[in-house]
Amino acid sequence: EPEVTQTPSHQVTQMGQEVILRCVPISNHLYFYWYRQILGQKVEFLVSFYNNEISEKSEIFDDQFSVERPDGSNFTLKIRSTKLEDSAMYFCARKTGPNGELFFGEGSRLTVL
Amino acid sequence: GENVEQHPSTLSVQEGDSAVIKCTYSDSASNYFPWYKQELGKRPQLIIDIRSNVGEKKDQRIAVTLNKTAKHFSLHITETQPEDSAVYFCAASPTGGFKTIFGAGTRLFVKA
Repeated sequence: EPEVTQTPSHQVTQMGQEVILRCVPISNHLYFYWYRQILGQKVEFLVSFYNNEISEKSEIFDDQFSVERPDGSNFTLKIRSTKLEDSAMYFCARKTGPNGELFFGEGSRLTVL
Repeated sequence: GENVEQHPSTLSVQEGDSAVIKCTYSDSASNYFPWYKQELGKRPQLIIDIRSNVGEKKDQRIAVTLNKTAKHFSLHITETQPEDSAVYFCAASPTGGFKTIFGAGTRLFVKA
């Protein structure tokens, strides 16, 4: 299965700074997701994105988070003002259909200092 | 919303023995149950899944069972090998729904 490509693989930022994580899916993918995994913990759902709009979001996905697909290809997660507790691995994932399998990208590790 | 509980959190077995990981879910609308394996520093990768119209599914040394009435599903690994050592996550998702909810994970150690 073709994978999604995530950039950057690792980003270090200062608390309070804005961060943008990017995901480049294959063009026929319609269902996109962002998940977060704090080191050693579970994989947590953040948001799902279908047909160029948010379809569902979790309690974690508060006002400091946003997602968009500005140019029809890249799918981005923006964290407006990072906090120490935002340090985690962020995974982009995709499905080809609503009942399909969820495939993860390689992840972007965010370290907030 | 959906809540997935997973047990045990850590499991240590001898090479060649079987390993069983159990999960329960809360939302009766869930009818797709994937299992993921995550090696250290890597992304979760799908290893097997089961849908609610099936009670059991097997793929070589891996099998999954589903009891919809009890809202239980389990992963069985037979003839374990050292390369099976990883963290395993169960998950649940409603058909046509958008989100997949994961259990807390089981760290499996297979001792040679």
